[in-house]
Order: sequence, then C-alpha cells, then structure tokens
Amino acid sequence: QLQLQESGPGLVKSSETLSLTCTVSGGSISRSGSDWGWLRQPPGEGLEWIGTFHNTGNTYYNPSLESRVSISVDSSKNQFSLKLYSVTATDTAVYYCARTYGDYLHLEYWGQGIQVTVSS
Amino acid sequence: IVMTQTPLSSPVTLGQSASISCRSSESLVHTDGNTYLSWLLQRPGQPPRLLIYKISNRFSGVPDRFSGSGAGTDFTLKISRVEAEDVGVYYCTQATQFPYTFGQGTKLEIK
Repeated sequence: QLQLQESGPGLVKSSETLSLTCTVSGGSISRSGSDWGWLRQPPGEGLEWIGTFHNTGNTYYNPSLESRVSISVDSSKNQFSLKLYSVTATDTAVYYCARTYGDYLHLEYWGQGIQVTVSS
Repeated sequence: IVMTQTPLSSPVTLGQSASISCRSSESLVHTDGNTYLSWLLQRPGQPPRLLIYKISNRFSGVPDRFSGSGAGTDFTLKISRVEAEDVGVYYCTQATQFPYTFGQGTKLEIK
C-alpha cells in the first residue's frame, strides 16, 4: 500500500519561502505512469490544485501560482518537494501531496496533510 | 475549466438516496477519447479520498452504493442507501486539462 507523508515547517513568515517535502513509502516514486502533485485547502474552503510533476517529465502549475511555485522530485530519496515563494497570509492552508496514476486514477493516494500558517 | 456543483448542501435521511450534480464549463472529453471526471469524498478532519474515476468507475474498496454517470459537461454522483459513514464533503474534479480544477464541494449531512 502506497503511503505519502508531508513534512516541513508549520509556520512561515510573510514574504519568506514555504518549503514542504512529501515522502513516498510502499512504492517507488520512479514508477512509470505516476504523477506527483501538491494541493492545498485554506481554512473552511475547498480544494486548490497547486501543481504536478507529470510522468512525461514535465511539470505543470496552477497559473494563479505559477510565478512563485516550484515542484521537484528526488528519486534517490523517494521524495518530492514544493517551494512557494513570497508567501502571504492567503497562503495559509492545509497542504496535501497526492499521486495520480496512469492519468486516469486522479488523486488516488493522498498524504494526511500539513497545516501551514503564514504569520506577519 | 470551471466546475459547478449543486446542491452545496444535502441533508438526507439514513437509508435514503442522495444525488449530486457537477457541471463543467467545457466538455471534459479528452483528445484521447476519455473523460477524466472524478469524485472525491472528504470526511471531517481527513484528507480527500478517491471514490469514482473516469465518470463511473469505482475505485478500489468503494461500495457499490456509489455510482457515477454523465457525459460531456454534465455529471452525477448517486449514493444509494446513505449510511452514517457517508457524511462529509463531496468534490467533483477534472483532469482532462491543466489546470486541474474542483467543484466547490457538496456537504452531505444526515437529517
């Protein structure tokens, strides 16, 4: 059974960089056909897709965040990471990592989520 | 692609059925012929979980009380014989086109 676990600081200062890591266990991050993504959910709100490292090797980002977001994969550690630059209070949310497989099993596995608060 | 769900709240009696509608602003038919419309359930305090993929396919372990239907821009999730464990927020989501988008969520609660 694949498991994903987010880690990183729960508190980030405004204008600084939010950095999170998702550790994958129970399977290889290099498995063919796997996409690795980040999503978030502000308090009391719905889900927002941040970006995905696609199985083609391309990385896709939400246009609303594209200018300040970066996703990367470290196969040697079976991890992938999110960096969100120049954060503000509106970036306060629960951040999730998730896997999509074969393009059709969209968001089949999720991490438990990590609360990140941006403070002034 | 904008995803619009109705209703936003659905009070239902245990054992009765519930239905949630999801409409997309554009056709979700991909150039490969597939329609990448999925349904997720987020129980209180938990991450979302995949219920249905490609309109009508139940994910592993999902009871057959859950069924999906639709085509093009109009989709429906039906829950038969609602149980207490079905309470939560249901989201439709599309993976036909980047950026991936979600409906606003429909809160299912027991009367």
